[in-house]
Amino acid sequence: DAGVIQSPRHEVTEMGQEVTLRCKPISGHDYLFWYRQTMMRGLELLIYFNNNVPIDDSGMPEDRFSAKMPNASFSTLKIQPSEPRDSAVYFCASSPSRDRAGANVLTFGAGSRLTVL
Amino acid sequence: AQSVTQLGSHVSVSEGALVLLRCNYSSSVPPYLFWYVQYPNQGLQLLLKYTTGATLVKGINGFEAEFKKSETSFHLTKPSAHMSDAAEYFCAVRESGYSTLTFGKGTMLLVSP
Repeated sequence: DAGVIQSPRHEVTEMGQEVTLRCKPISGHDYLFWYRQTMMRGLELLIYFNNNVPIDDSGMPEDRFSAKMPNASFSTLKIQPSEPRDSAVYFCASSPSRDRAGANVLTFGAGSRLTVL
Repeated sequence: AQSVTQLGSHVSVSEGALVLLRCNYSSSVPPYLFWYVQYPNQGLQLLLKYTTGATLVKGINGFEAEFKKSETSFHLTKPSAHMSDAAEYFCAVRESGYSTLTFGKGTMLLVSP
């Protein structure tokens, strides 16, 4: 398996532009998570999906952020319009349903580093 | 609500020395506990996990962690540090019944020759 695949790895854009980050989870994983990592706030959960359905989006900072999962093999995180404070590394992670021990292990992608000028 | 505290944003050791990274958690029920490692410009990789059973958990690259319920701790150790261990380490907790992980702020491990 190729693991969780994210694109682009790096994105530099200007304030006000639309940004779309993409994620392909591991085949067979039921859960997909979007995290944001910054120096100030560490790792923050933005939203997660179960079987393509958004379960909890309480971590999405504001209405400029939206996420979709049209099918089991693809998800997007969109920022429109982007602002300099959105600069961060955005991680996608996926996991299977809980195993018998209850510990569904998250597998992370390599991340998308976003810089908004 | 669950939370994780990692003591020390940076830990420096010499090559060959003991590595000890501290993690304390807050949880209303017995949790599942994890340590992840992040190398520069990479995603997080699972080092080890505690679910149930034996409280001393062994992971990859010679790391291990011990779950101490009475101290609500899950400290990460390695007997002898190697230069390649330099990375950021994250402790995480998940309560039974929840699907999400809560991460600590991370501890950067610096290894000097």
